[in-house]
Amino acid sequence: GAVVSQHPSRVICKSGTSVKIECRSLDFQATTMFWYRQFPKQSLMLMATSNEGSKATYEQGVEKDKFLINHASLTLSTLTVTSAHPEDSSFYICSARDAGPGGNTGELFFGEGSRLTVL
Amino acid sequence: QKEVEQDPGPLSVPEGAIVSLNCTYSNSAFQYFMWYRQYSRKGPELLMYTYSSGNKEDGRFTAQVDKSSKYISLFIRDSQPSDSATYLCAMFGGSYIPTFGRGTSLIVHP
Repeated sequence: GAVVSQHPSRVICKSGTSVKIECRSLDFQATTMFWYRQFPKQSLMLMATSNEGSKATYEQGVEKDKFLINHASLTLSTLTVTSAHPEDSSFYICSARDAGPGGNTGELFFGEGSRLTVL
Repeated sequence: QKEVEQDPGPLSVPEGAIVSLNCTYSNSAFQYFMWYRQYSRKGPELLMYTYSSGNKEDGRFTAQVDKSSKYISLFIRDSQPSDSATYLCAMFGGSYIPTFGRGTSLIVHP
C-alpha cells in the first residue's frame, strides 16, 4: 500500500512549548488529509480535515488556535500543538487520501502516529 | 445510537480459526467501506476497501458488504498469532469524511 510518513514518532516537551508534527504522503498526492487523536483503547477521534491550499475544517470542540493545521502542498500537512499542556498528551495520527483515480473516494492511508507527552 | 457500531471484544480464537469481525451502521448514505488493522502504538493499516455489496477477497481476508442490512464483515481465514490486533471498520458517503467504528480487539492464541 501507499506510504504516509509521520514525524516525529515520539516527542516529550515541557508545558507551554509548541510542538510540530509532520505528515507526508511519500508516493502519492493527497488533496485531503485528516488529523486524529486517539486515547488508549479507544477509536480515532477526528480533529480536523485539511485540504491543500485552504484552511482546515475543525471538528466541534477542537480549538483551532491551539491545534494549527497547515496543508501547504499536495504531499505535506503539519499539525502544531501550541502552548502544549499535560492534557494534550495523546497519540496523534494523520491520514492522507490518495487523490489519484478515485479522487474524493480514493483510499485513505495512515501515518504511524506521533505520541506526544507534555510534562 | 452511534452511526457505526462495532463490538470492542476482545475476541479470542485459536490459531487456524476463521475469524469474523462485523460492523453495523445506520446511515444509508454510506457507500464506501474500509477495514483497517491497528497494532498497539501504531497507525492503522488499510486491509480492504470496498464499494459494492457482495464479497471482496484478498489473500486470507474477505470483506463482505450488505447494504440492504447495513452490515459489513471481515473474515480472516487460517488466523495467525500475528493477526492479533485491533480491527477498525470505517465508512463514508457523500461527505467523503470517514466514520470509524471503535475497533474490535482480536487475540489469536497459538
